This record gives sequence, C-alpha cells and structure tokens, in this order.
Amino acid sequence: DSGVTQTPKHLITATGQRVTLRCSPRSGDLSVYWYQQSLDQGLQFLIQYYNGEERAKGNILERFSAQQFPDLHSELNLSSLELGDSALYFCASSGFQTSGGVRDTQYFGPGTRLTVL
Amino acid sequence: TQLLEQSPQFLSIQEGENLTVYCNSSSVFSSLQWYRQEPGEGPVLLVTVVTGGEVKKLKRLTFQFGDARKDSSLHITAAQTGDTGLYLCAGLGGTSYGKLTFGQGTILTVHP
Repeated sequence: DSGVTQTPKHLITATGQRVTLRCSPRSGDLSVYWYQQSLDQGLQFLIQYYNGEERAKGNILERFSAQQFPDLHSELNLSSLELGDSALYFCASSGFQTSGGVRDTQYFGPGTRLTVL
Repeated sequence: TQLLEQSPQFLSIQEGENLTVYCNSSSVFSSLQWYRQEPGEGPVLLVTVVTGGEVKKLKRLTFQFGDARKDSSLHITAAQTGDTGLYLCAGLGGTSYGKLTFGQGTILTVHP
C-alpha cells in the first residue's frame, strides 16, 4: 500500500460524457502528479500540482483539466470523452516540488480504469 | 522531448535463467528509477540511481546507471516466477524537471 488513494477504481461511461477522478496523496505530500497509461502510449505524464498550484504540464489534452484543493487532494476532470481516452489513470504523490533528485520519489496509487464506450 | 527506449519489450524465460533489461536515452537525467508494476496496480519503485556509473543491488536484482547518466540496465539473476511483471524505467529531471519520463516497459514472464 503506497498510501495514495484513488477513486473510483473502475469507471465506465459513454463518448461525449464528462468524468472526475479523485486522488488523495500520502499524508504530508504536497505534490500530486497525474499519469495516463494505455497499451499503445505507455505511461504518460499529464500534469503536476504542488501545494495547490500547477507546476508542470505534460501531454495533457485541452479537454482534460485538473486541480489540487487546500486539503491537497486532487481531481482530474475529463470531458467530451472519446473512445481513445480509455486507459488507466494514475495519481502519484511526493513530498517535494521539483529538484530532480532522490527526494522526488513518487508513490503511485492503484489507478482508475476508465472505459469509454 | 526526452525519450527513454526500453528493450526488450517482451521477455519470456524459464525459472533459474538470468536476464537483462536495457533503458537508453539521448538525454541526460539527474536520476533514473526502475519500477515494477503488477496487473491492476500502480508502479512500485524498486530503486533510484543517481550517480553516473552507480551500481545498486537489491537481492537478485542489479541496477546500473551509465557513466553519462543516459542509460541504465536491470539484471536479474536466477529469475523466479514471482519476478513476473511489467518493469518500467523512468528518468527524472534533466530538461523536464518534476516529471517522470517512462520507457515503454518490459513485460517479463518467468515460467516454472
């Protein structure tokens, strides 16, 4: 158990819909990261928040958005869903911002499996 | 864009055999991590290597970071069925502070 929780574990929805994925970081961790894992693209970084502020952006579509709340939990919102958005979405947390060193160890949650029909 | 090329993509071996997984990039990373992921779960960190030329051992697993900090390898000695899983290398830092750049992964299957 990494200490990172994600809900829901599974989500099945239809094209064009909007969903919200939730992540609670490890106690005390200020950074939250979102990743998408699909068979053809592998594990791709989407976005990072640190203490409520966006810090780094990766391959995140404009239809996707995220935020981190004062209690440090984070939500990833996916809208106008397409079949290709079906994937595993992981949240990870770490205790530090961005130094590129060992202190940035990221702990991954169990993921949310999104299926778009 | 930083890329990590991981090879082989698939590895199927018998219990007791040795294997090596490679992770290569044209970019320099400040550190490189190896993860193992089992079906239905998130990646779990195995090791972080930071210094060029560094070698770390974790029981039957040996991790090496290249001198130029652009490549790494994972060697498993006397593989066991419990080693089966997806192995991912990930680079941290360099030109993309804060985000992990993952390789495509190696699916290892160890047969009894």
